[in-house]
Amino acid sequence: EVQLVESGGGLVQPGGSLRLSCAASGFTFTNYWMHWVRQAPGKGPVWVSRISIDGKDILYADSVKGRFTISRDNAKNTLHLQMNSLRAEDTAVYYCVRDPSVSINVGDYWGQGTLVTVSS
Amino acid sequence: DIQMTQSPSSVSASVGDRITITCRASQGIGSWLAWYQQKPGKAPELLIYSATSLQSGVPSRFSGSGSGTDFTLTISSLQPEDFATYYCQQTNSFPLTFGGGTKVEI
Repeated sequence: EVQLVESGGGLVQPGGSLRLSCAASGFTFTNYWMHWVRQAPGKGPVWVSRISIDGKDILYADSVKGRFTISRDNAKNTLHLQMNSLRAEDTAVYYCVRDPSVSINVGDYWGQGTLVTVSS
Repeated sequence: DIQMTQSPSSVSASVGDRITITCRASQGIGSWLAWYQQKPGKAPELLIYSATSLQSGVPSRFSGSGSGTDFTLTISSLQPEDFATYYCQQTNSFPLTFGGGTKVEI
């Protein structure tokens, strides 16, 4: 069974940092590109970042570029999102998402999400 | 960025109804469109990709059509478990963008 389990969310002050992790299991992690997608309360999903299988092809949304860093540890089947200089508008549930094919850019499996709240 | 506009934003329907949700892209995206279903407190689930391809395990009452800028999601006979919010997503280019959602309610 495919499982994506996010962790690392919580309450952080503006300007602070958090590191999200996503533990993948039930599939061959090294065969899949991965994404982070976030969803603010009551809003639609927003794509955040994507990483290739080898970690060398990375893209970010403009809203997080320069502040967030996506990475993966293929030996540990884990995806990460380092979030720095957090702002109130970064408050959202963050989902780890598996992409079944680099040419399709969809999410066929999503984690349950981890809530990040940026507030003083 | 490509803007995705869904309509209606909400629809009231009954079990057994046929409903259609529309998604319009601000520029042509070929057939690079996906549809997701989201229930309260849960992550989105992929229903359709490449505009018309049904994701494995998704009931055949769901179907997608369209290309270019105009797309539709149709549920042929609404079931109780289909009451949820539906989102379209363009997968043509980065940044990937989602529509604002359509809530299907009783």
